[in-house]
Amino acid sequence: AQSVTQPDIHITVSEGASLELRCNYSYGATPYLFWYVQSPGQGLQLLLKYFSGDTLVQGIKGFEAEFKRSQSSFNLRKPSVHWSDAAEYFCAVGDPGGYNKLIFGAGTRLAVHP
Amino acid sequence: NAGVMQNPRHLVRRRGQEARLRCSPMKGHSHVYWYRQLPEEGLKFMVYLQKENIIDESGMPKERFSAEFPKEGPSILRIQQVVRGDSAAYFCASSPGGRGPYNEQFFGPGTRLTVL
Repeated sequence: AQSVTQPDIHITVSEGASLELRCNYSYGATPYLFWYVQSPGQGLQLLLKYFSGDTLVQGIKGFEAEFKRSQSSFNLRKPSVHWSDAAEYFCAVGDPGGYNKLIFGAGTRLAVHP
Repeated sequence: NAGVMQNPRHLVRRRGQEARLRCSPMKGHSHVYWYRQLPEEGLKFMVYLQKENIIDESGMPKERFSAEFPKEGPSILRIQQVVRGDSAAYFCASSPGGRGPYNEQFFGPGTRLTVL
């Protein structure tokens, strides 16, 4: 069965520091991969997605993610974090054989110190 | 172009009552997904519907929960005889449809259900 693991439940960084959020997936073939951000009390906003091709994908708000097949990982990165990036981040796998339903990780809550 | 609409945004029910959650997909979208987010957890798939059809309900609890997406009107997630464990945020997402990778899901703001 497909699964997504986000090993870090909470991460705290200082404003201006770099950020990397980890995501590992379990899937039999090349999955569709997504990162979403959720601000408190809000819905989910898509940051970026990977379907095929270039393994480094650029998203909104200065985020990028790299697909590494050998490590079954899709880590999210940002070179310089802003206070407004404080939110919860979810990695998800799209199941193309399952009508594209999304399988989410448990999330990583990011706090940003001034 | 309005996004995915969900109402109510907040819903309080007492144990044993019914909860009805509505989702209006984006214009032009004919496919709807429902997800549930329990406190401190990620979202879990519940059901996938097309107009007038349930396509995949593998994530729906076997009892008390039902979903529909009629030809006209919003999709409805219905929870009968709610229990405290049903307290969660329920998110709806819509997509243009199909199995291809470009049928991105767009999420609504969610309905936060509290069962007293």
